[in-house]
Amino acid sequence: DQQVKQNSPSLSVQEGRISILNCDYTNSMFDYFLWYKKYPAEGPTFLISISSIKDKNEDGRFTVFLNKSAKHLSLHIVPSQPGDSAVYFCAASPNFGNEKLTFGTGTRLTIIP
Amino acid sequence: DVKVTQSSRYLVKRTGEKVFLECVQDMDHENMFWYRQDPGLGLRLIYFSYDVKMKEKGDIPEGYSVSREKKERFSLILESASTNQTSMYLCASAGPGENTEAFFGQGTRLTVV
Repeated sequence: DQQVKQNSPSLSVQEGRISILNCDYTNSMFDYFLWYKKYPAEGPTFLISISSIKDKNEDGRFTVFLNKSAKHLSLHIVPSQPGDSAVYFCAASPNFGNEKLTFGTGTRLTIIP
Repeated sequence: DVKVTQSSRYLVKRTGEKVFLECVQDMDHENMFWYRQDPGLGLRLIYFSYDVKMKEKGDIPEGYSVSREKKERFSLILESASTNQTSMYLCASAGPGENTEAFFGQGTRLTVV
């Protein structure tokens, strides 16, 4: 039972354009959401997070949007750069980001120069 | 910078062997986690610990055990390795605070033959 879903296994975007990665969840107990980025043969690195009391959080080129009624979040990267090519994982927690996380299956983002 | 170090990048073990995966963090974090990453399945939680000597089962604990004798060290043990435990194993740690996130090690690619 996949509680966090990333329905697009892969996404290709032209350099300089906007990348939009989507994530859906089914467990209404989730209250905190995170995005991690992963390069091959490395551990995931934290990118950005959002608490359920907010609907948007921005950090430089990265913005996460949360639609709690739809149980949907998205990560926007603008402008996209070649170094953004990686696998992106959405993760959720019932409380805070430092507790056990439920991850999605990941989306491989490829930025085309 | 937080450092989470896993003892091996690559391991090859035989079926039936007892396997130890070691993880050490240098930031005095209370919370530590073991995940495994498989293609198409994302990251799945095996075990976690919120304190020394404390351990909790995650979503897929079967065939694994853990040990947390010291705050900085969290070991994952495969009691009798099987080929379906071939995977990328990722250790993570997280400190206190509501808006903190987990930091991951570089991963151990385990192959059971």
